[in-house]
Amino acid sequence: ETGVTQTPRHLVMGMTNKKSLKCEQHLGHNAMYWYKQSAKKPLELMFVYNFKEQTENNSVPSRFSPECPNSSHLFLHLHTLQPEDSALYLCASSQDGLGRGGRDTDTQYFGPGTRLTVL
Amino acid sequence: SQQGEEDPQALSIQEGENATMNCSYKTSINNLQWYRQNSGRGLVHLILIRSNEREKHSGRLRVTLDTSKKSSSLLITASRAADTASYFCATDGRGSNYKLTFGKGTLLTVNP
Repeated sequence: ETGVTQTPRHLVMGMTNKKSLKCEQHLGHNAMYWYKQSAKKPLELMFVYNFKEQTENNSVPSRFSPECPNSSHLFLHLHTLQPEDSALYLCASSQDGLGRGGRDTDTQYFGPGTRLTVL
Repeated sequence: SQQGEEDPQALSIQEGENATMNCSYKTSINNLQWYRQNSGRGLVHLILIRSNEREKHSGRLRVTLDTSKKSSSLLITASRAADTASYFCATDGRGSNYKLTFGKGTLLTVNP
């Protein structure tokens, strides 16, 4: 629907498991983002990648490990998570996340999210 | 601290009525964007208004921006049941390195 896909859509994992979330964008964008959305809280920016380089790590615990092998793919590797990490994890992309050339902050295009439950 | 904050937190109206949601923010911005999210899904961009603009329209949507009051409003006219969703404003505070900061959102319910 928006050119950004995420898999899996739902994930249930134990605290000792290792899993990965995948995001792919088909829009030719150069910036990709991970957000965490918990109930009753604002959307929290976790990581930003511009042209495959990480440009933002918003004090995210090391049990979340992002990977961006190219501008179209973004992963979030999960290990030894806590129950409070249960949330909707949203991936987004934008044309350029650095506002180069005096551009406005870009519109972001979101994927449908992965609903993560940590038991 | 949180940049954008929507008001009210929840709004329930009848189909055909207009819905108005407000957003307040704290620091100077380059632009302000409104997004919609259907339950458990990703956000969809609705409209962007720049700091030098006062009003913008897109279909049944009207957005206003008052930089002196650091506030914006989103008006949805002739609402439909399909408009039921959460609505978020997002701002990029100047000096934020073009990051967006989202509010908690307004949950709009349009009853048929």
